[in-house]
Order: sequence, then structure tokens, then C-alpha cells
Amino acid sequence: QKEVEQDPGPLSVPEGAIVSLNCTYSNSAFQYFMWYRQYSRKGPELLMYTYSSGNKEDGRFTAQVDKSSKYISLFIRDSQPSDSATYLCAMRGTNAGKSTFGDGTTLTVKP
Amino acid sequence: DSGVTQTPKHLITATGQRVTLRCSPRSGDLSVYWYQQSLDQGLQFLIQYYNGEERAKGNILERFSAQQFPDLHSELNLSSLELGDSALYFCASSVAQGGEQFFGPGTRLTVL
Repeated sequence: QKEVEQDPGPLSVPEGAIVSLNCTYSNSAFQYFMWYRQYSRKGPELLMYTYSSGNKEDGRFTAQVDKSSKYISLFIRDSQPSDSATYLCAMRGTNAGKSTFGDGTTLTVKP
Repeated sequence: DSGVTQTPKHLITATGQRVTLRCSPRSGDLSVYWYQQSLDQGLQFLIQYYNGEERAKGNILERFSAQQFPDLHSELNLSSLELGDSALYFCASSVAQGGEQFFGPGTRLTVL
């Protein structure tokens, strides 16, 4: 079983929809949680970086971490066609440089 | 643009050959990470260097090696290449041992 599980999708939504992307994990040592966006196998772009449990908002993006359930989410409001990409969750422990990534969810936002 | 640069962008070579991938971290970043992304697998962590020293190792094959130089750029050496080594290789950097990692554009390696 993988340490980080992510539904690969694909996920297709109409423009303007709210998108919910999720990951579950098994390693309770994970303390830092990240979301990356990757276009067509280009370099992943860091979207959100959070520590421990709670919510973090940045523009149309909201990241949620529930450590008790070992579950993290990324919400995208008012989704745009330019949001079409693969979204990767990642996480690491406190003193660890290594991040463990989910396999990514492919999102398509249709105009 | 993350500020991390990688060269070359594309590399096509034959089985059994050796190649070197180069990464320059963002200005001020001391940590460099290497990842492999294959079609059938997600991002796999290979190795991390911090200020010239190896700090963490993932599932890196013995045929692969890396180093970080005094100017903080890093090189990933892949030898005795096999077809299965064809993949995207990404470099990322961060200021400290952990912290936010910023990825470069990647090197696409094709082994024929």
C-alpha cells in the first residue's frame, strides 16, 4: 500500500464549478502538506504549503488538512479552463527533506 | 518561472550509455532534490543534497549517482542506461533542509 493515495481521476467539470481534490495518507509523521499543479508534464508548480491541521486560503484555492483522519483536500473555486492540469499532493515529516507525492489527479475544466 | 534551471531539456541516448543532468537551484537555496517521473509512476524521490552534503536517499539505483558542487549546482549521473530509465527527471530546490520545494522544468530522457 502506498503512503499517499490520490484518486487519479480524470475529473471533468464545467467552468465556474467548485473542484474538490483529495489525498489520504498513512504516515502519521507527516507534518507539512503541499499541493502542486503540473501542466503537460512540465515542472510542478507549488500552489499551497501548509503545516499541520487547518485551512489555508490563497485566492481561489483553499487547502484543508485533517490530521486526525489523515486526509487533505484542495478546493478550487470558480474554476477556469486554465486550471486544467494534473494536481499532485505531497507531504513530508518535520525534519525530512524528502517529500512523498501522490500520483496526481488530472482535471479538465470545460468552457 | 521558479528560478530553478535544468539542462539539457531533452536527451536521447542508447542503452548502456552514460549521461549527466545538470541543475542550478534558485539563488539562495542550499538544498537540491532530484526526482524521477515515469509514465506509469508518479514523482519518485531519488536523492537530496544540502550545502554539498548528501542528506536523504530514496529509491535511487546504484547505477545513478549525484553530487552538489561548492557553487551549489548539482549533477545527476545515470550510467549503464536501460530502456526503463526513460523518464522526466526533475530537480527542485529549497532554502533549508526542508521547506517549500520549487521545481525546475525537467530533463526528458529517452533511452533507445
